[in-house]
Amino acid sequence: DIEMTQSPSSLSASVGDRVTIACRASQTISINLHWYQQKAGKAPTLLIYKIDSLQRGVPSRFSGSGTGTDFNLTISSLQAEDFATYYCQQSFTSPPTFGQGTRLEIK
Amino acid sequence: QVQLVQSGAEVKKPGASVRVSCKASGYMFSSYAIHWVRQAPGQRPEWMGWINAGSGKTKYSEKFEDRVTAMRDTSTTTVYLELTSLKLEDTALYYCARGRTSDPFDFWGQGTLVTVSS
Repeated sequence: DIEMTQSPSSLSASVGDRVTIACRASQTISINLHWYQQKAGKAPTLLIYKIDSLQRGVPSRFSGSGTGTDFNLTISSLQAEDFATYYCQQSFTSPPTFGQGTRLEIK
Repeated sequence: QVQLVQSGAEVKKPGASVRVSCKASGYMFSSYAIHWVRQAPGQRPEWMGWINAGSGKTKYSEKFEDRVTAMRDTSTTTVYLELTSLKLEDTALYYCARGRTSDPFDFWGQGTLVTVSS
């Protein structure tokens, strides 16, 4: 299975900050890298698919980048509603696998 | 609008089986697969398997393939997950999610809590 590793595991930031979350795959995964946001007690929601494509309805302050095995999710200016846990996921090979998550907390 | 609505919470004893349902609406049911993903408390999501809603073809994670069955009813656009021989460590939120092969999971159900307790 492809192992997905995120860093950091947790992050404290303030409204208005720019934050970046990293995700590394244990092997190259082409463009099959996606990002989800999960709020407490809720299902994950898709933010970014295929590295850098913004899912419909997602604010433009979210962006994705990367290539090969190393990818980033950037939030350009944090809003109060962005404090949540973020997961990366690969769909290059079966089984699809997720990173361990990055918990974004209010400083 | 696309909706996936799951059945309610379940409490089961070790060794029992559980069936979770996921009713799809708002899109062409047979054009997508439905995946099953579970999430234990404080853990990352874990993929269990998927079913092609059109053909009924299934594929399961090796971790679960001897205990899990996915099925679909096209007349009611509902997908089911059955998990047998339940263990304490199967306690988790179980989600259905829409997606195609190599595509992301673009819509998710609200989750079904399955608690396994003696």
